[in-house]
Amino acid sequence: NAGVTQTPKFRILKIGQSMTLQCTQDMNHNYMYWYRQDPGMGLKLIYYSVGAGITDKGEVPNGYNVSRSTTEDFPLRLELAAPSQTSVYFCASSYATGDTEAFFGQGTRLTVV
Amino acid sequence: AQSVTQPDIHITVSEGASLELRCNYSYGATPYLFWYVQSPGQGLQLLLKYFSGDTLVQGIKGFEAEFKRSQSSFNLRKPSVHWSDAAEYFCAVSTRGNKLVFGAGTILRVKS
Repeated sequence: NAGVTQTPKFRILKIGQSMTLQCTQDMNHNYMYWYRQDPGMGLKLIYYSVGAGITDKGEVPNGYNVSRSTTEDFPLRLELAAPSQTSVYFCASSYATGDTEAFFGQGTRLTVV
Repeated sequence: AQSVTQPDIHITVSEGASLELRCNYSYGATPYLFWYVQSPGQGLQLLLKYFSGDTLVQGIKGFEAEFKRSQSSFNLRKPSVHWSDAAEYFCAVSTRGNKLVFGAGTILRVKS
């Protein structure tokens, strides 16, 4: 009963490096989301996907890219890491939007130095 | 655009005391409303949700929330707080076809 799994849990990057945050879900959910959480700011939507092959920008997409080749996986790519991307990143999935519950992974704490 | 306001950044209550966390939303139609809880180092867990019907909804862990359309509010309550309730609480709003919009969160501290 894994739910939403994110890897890694922690990562330190140097400025200009790139990395991919992995997210997989085993609930056959169509909708998947990436949020970033900064202290006192709540969660901000970076990108979302409504199904395999379909992605769209959220509120704060700059500096990030995503892909959705399968229903299960929704990786988030940082191409040129910047200190402003220091944050906690959460992946989530849901069966639909509106009144359905979103299930969250445990988060990835990223520090860019 | 939808927005959610949680006016209290931090709240401290004594164990056994009652709790009320405030949430106000901005949206033209009746939204879907949620409360999530985040324990330290964990992801978010759904406490309860409202989308229609009885305006007082019950959730897990003894929490309840009341939807008040006239005040655009969806406040979270618990009659008696336990030390394990210490966490960060997020109010969120969604509408059909849209995504979740979160408030800034309220950190709850419980003192013994």
